[in-house]
Amino acid sequence: ETGVTQSPTHLIKTRGQQVTLRCSSQSGHNTVSWYQQALGQGPQFIFQYYREEENGRGNFPPRFSGLQFPNYSSELNVNALELDDSALYLCASRGQNTDTQYFGPGTRLTVL
Amino acid sequence: SQQGEEDPQALSIQEGENATMNCSYKTSINNLQWYRQNSGRGLVHLILIRSNEREKHSGRLRVTLDTSKKSSSLLITASRAADTASYFCATDDWDNDMRFGAGTRLTVKP
Repeated sequence: ETGVTQSPTHLIKTRGQQVTLRCSSQSGHNTVSWYQQALGQGPQFIFQYYREEENGRGNFPPRFSGLQFPNYSSELNVNALELDDSALYLCASRGQNTDTQYFGPGTRLTVL
Repeated sequence: SQQGEEDPQALSIQEGENATMNCSYKTSINNLQWYRQNSGRGLVHLILIRSNEREKHSGRLRVTLDTSKKSSSLLITASRAADTASYFCATDDWDNDMRFGAGTRLTVKP
């Protein structure tokens, strides 16, 4: 157990819909990153938040957006869902002065 | 885009044998980390090795790093059936992101 939780566990949406995924960081961790993992692939970095500000972004379109709250919990929002958005979405939190990230169990999103 | 590439893509061994997985990357790095993932679940952090380190041990795990060759290896000694999982290397290049390879799928047969 890493202390990082994600909800929901599974989600099914249809193309064009919007989705919000949630992550609760490990206590004391002020940095959260989101990753997309397609089947059979490694995780791809979406973006990172540090103290409620976006602090780095991977090669994902603007319809992928996020929020980090004062309690360091976080959301990933995806608009105008496409079939290729079907994947496991992972969040990872990290404390200050440490390079180790702790991952949550992920949310499996299926877009039909 | 992915940074690391693991080799082999898949590895099948008998319980008790050693398993070696390799990772190559492209740019200079701050550190390299190895993770394990069971059946599409969350990733579990195994070990971190910094760019100024050459070898690290943790229990049955041994990691080496060769920055001149931009490569790393993960050795799991005396493997167990419970070690069956996918193993990923991830590089941290000071860019506020981590780049993962596609992973090595390890199967340990009892």
